[in-house]
Amino acid sequence: ELKVEQNPLFLSMQEGKNYTIYCNYSTTSDRLYWYRQDPGKSLESLFVLLSNGAVKQEGRLMASLDTKARLSTLHITAAVHDLSATYFCAVVEYGNKLVFGAGTILRVKS
Amino acid sequence: EAQVTQNPRYLITVTGKKLTVTCSQNMNHEYMSWYRQDPGLGLRQIYYSMNVEVTDKGDVPEGYKVSRKEKRNFPLILESPSPNQTSLYFCASRATGVYEQYFGPGTRLTVT
Repeated sequence: ELKVEQNPLFLSMQEGKNYTIYCNYSTTSDRLYWYRQDPGKSLESLFVLLSNGAVKQEGRLMASLDTKARLSTLHITAAVHDLSATYFCAVVEYGNKLVFGAGTILRVKS
Repeated sequence: EAQVTQNPRYLITVTGKKLTVTCSQNMNHEYMSWYRQDPGLGLRQIYYSMNVEVTDKGDVPEGYKVSRKEKRNFPLILESPSPNQTSLYFCASRATGVYEQYFGPGTRLTVT
């Protein structure tokens, strides 16, 4: 059974600082997603990572995947208040069966 | 506009009263899924469907039913709701060979 662990679960950071959210998973998978959720809203797709060594960047967010270590990271560069949200990673177990992490609540303080 | 719609968006009901939450997508997607979101647990997949008449259980299927009679619709049925099914529910869809998944706006269900 696939387990997905995110850490930290809560992250309070100052504007302008860098930080990383980690997503570990327990069994082999060929696909990993990162999503963002604003309070009271639905999920917004950020990245889909398909292969070992994959790196994707959008603005101040960069995601990477190490399938050997079963680890993905979401790196935040020079955080701004608008990045405050909850971030989820999700890993495909097989087919369309998706297992989510518990989510990381990010608060960026000015 | 490409979208996934859910109805109702909010529902308060009583234990044991059958209900259906509808999900519809206008993108001709093959894959559709239902999730529930609870604080501290992330999203958990309830059921998913690979195409018309093809469905499979996710991690938390107990107490739920689904059907996929048409490609665009994937209703979630609670035959006898209980308070532990109080949650925020999301429907999602994606196309075969395309990995991006589109989520609906969510349905907040309260069972008293």
